[in-house]
Amino acid sequence: QVQLQESGPGLVKPSQTLSLTCTVSGGSISSGIYYWSWIRQPAGKGLEWIGRIYISGSTNYNPSLKSRVTMSVDTSKNQFSLKLSSVTAADTAVYYCAIGKGDEFDIWGQGTMLTVSS
Amino acid sequence: QSVLTQPPSASGTPGQRVTISCSGSSSNIGSNYIYWYQHLPGTAPKLLIYRNNQRPSGVPDRFSGSKSGTSASLAISGLRSEDEADYYCATWDDTLSGVVFGGGTKLTVL
Repeated sequence: QVQLQESGPGLVKPSQTLSLTCTVSGGSISSGIYYWSWIRQPAGKGLEWIGRIYISGSTNYNPSLKSRVTMSVDTSKNQFSLKLSSVTAADTAVYYCAIGKGDEFDIWGQGTMLTVSS
Repeated sequence: QSVLTQPPSASGTPGQRVTISCSGSSSNIGSNYIYWYQHLPGTAPKLLIYRNNQRPSGVPDRFSGSKSGTSASLAISGLRSEDEADYYCATWDDTLSGVVFGGGTKLTVL
């Protein structure tokens, strides 16, 4: 069974770029079966899809975040990553990585809290 | 404002049947599968229903999904205290070329 684990700095200053990594265990990111996605949830608010990447490198991003988002896959480390530039307090949230074979998310990481503050 | 509209709250007593609605448009629910997630505080969301009405292995048959036109609903029968959670609908939106979530419905078991 594939498992996911997010990791990140916990705290980022405004205007900086946040970087998060999702480490995959129990399966190969190169399998070509899944879409690898990032989703976030600000405190007291709902879930927001950030975007996804396929092993081929093709991506789909949330239009509201597209100008600031970059996703990548590192097959050698069995990881995929999220970079979000020019962060503000509005980017403070719990960030989840998740995978699915289509538009669903059937395996999720436990989430990592990211706070934007000076 | 979410692209998909859900009621912010719902409630029921143990044993009751409750339904949660999700309303969208022709570019999302009307032309794509709907998915439902259960989210307990402090845990990862869990896929409850996929492809409109299919249950992943391990999800009790008390949970069922349906879709008609540009709306969908999640029904929970035989309500139990452990069903108290936030529920989200989600689907692909052809116009936005991305996944969209509903705003979430907080289910309270009285």
